[in-house]
This record gives sequence, structure tokens and C-alpha cells, in this order.
Amino acid sequence: DGGITQSPKYLFRKEGQNVTLSCEQNLNHDAMYWYRQDPGQGLRLIYYSQIVNDFQKGDIAEGYSVSREKKESFPLTVTSAQKNPTAFYLCASSIVFRAGELFFGEGSRLTVL
Amino acid sequence: EDQVTQSPEALRLQEGESSSLNCSYTVSGLRGLFWYRQDPGKGPEFLFTLYSAGEEKEKERLKATLTKKESFLHITAPKPEDSATYLCAVRDAGNMLTFGGGTRLMVKP
Repeated sequence: DGGITQSPKYLFRKEGQNVTLSCEQNLNHDAMYWYRQDPGQGLRLIYYSQIVNDFQKGDIAEGYSVSREKKESFPLTVTSAQKNPTAFYLCASSIVFRAGELFFGEGSRLTVL
Repeated sequence: EDQVTQSPEALRLQEGESSSLNCSYTVSGLRGLFWYRQDPGKGPEFLFTLYSAGEEKEKERLKATLTKKESFLHITAPKPEDSATYLCAVRDAGNMLTFGGGTRLMVKP
């Protein structure tokens, strides 16, 4: 079955550590996205990519980094520069020209201790 | 700046009690309004796309409608399994997506 796989589902990190969240899709979608979700707030866009080897900053990119070396993969690194990293992180993909119809992964919950 | 406001924040219904969720928006050049369902601890699941005022979409007990300023998600005779958070989002002329804060629906048997 086609879909998006995020890992790990839960992650604990000490302050000052970088962590990388994995996102893999087998939907053959060109566009991939990373969102952050905090309680009571809408999803906020961190980074997106519409093609391999190219990505764009979203609304809250500071303290995060991404890479897009393969069409299927879009990992997100939460760096020590991110001041409030505890959140639920969602990866999504779409056909480029149907950018509102996103397929989401199950999410990764990051907790900073 | 695009804005999406969903109301109410939370809604409790008895099984079979129909109601509506509201999504008000301001957007520069609407290129689509989208509804999603999100279960606790899961990623959102796409439900509907609406493109123009007057358009309606239906799926089982859900019907989404669109005007020039807002969208409604009508839930007819809800069941406990309809309990979830419902998210609304708009896409603007620059192809950017803005999400609302969601409405948490709880349907009691």
C-alpha cells in the first residue's frame, strides 16, 4: 500500500542535541512538506520541497534544516538552535498541482527534556 | 496575510444530534478550501476540496459547503466514530496553504 512513513513515532532529546526525523513516501509525489503542530494551533509549515535537490523555507524554518536527495525521502533535522522544539511533527506529500490535498504521515512527537 | 478561523474550538454532541462546524477565512485569491479529519496522535486525513462559492461535497454523514467568506462542515446524525478534530485550510494564489486551529468534535453514545 502507498503511503508516508515517519520515524521515530516518539523521540526524547536533551537540550543542545540535534535530532533527525525521517520521512519516506512511496506515492511517487513530487512535493513534500514538514509541519509542526502545537496544542490549539493550526499546522505551521517548516519547509517544503517540490523537486529533488530543492527546498524552500516555510513560516517557521529557523532552527530546522532539511535535505531532499531522493524523491522518496525528506528528512528534517531539529537543531539545538530551535528554541522550543517540543511539538508534534507531521510530514506530508502531494501532487504539485494539487497542493491542498496532502497525504500525511502518522507524525513524530519530539520531547525535549 | 491569509487567515483561517474555526469555530467552535470544541463541540460535544449526542449521537444522532446534527450540527455544523464553521471555517471563516480571508485569503488573497482563493485556490481551494480543504477539510481534513485528524484522530488523536495521528496525521490528518484529507476529506474534501471546495473551489468556488456554492459548491458542496458529501461523504457519508459529512457535507461541506462554501461561500465567499466561510465554509461549513455539516454533520448529520453523527456517530461516536465521527469524534475527531476537523481541520480547515485554504490555498492562496501563491499556492501557499494556511490551516485553521481546528474544531474538536466529541460524539457521545
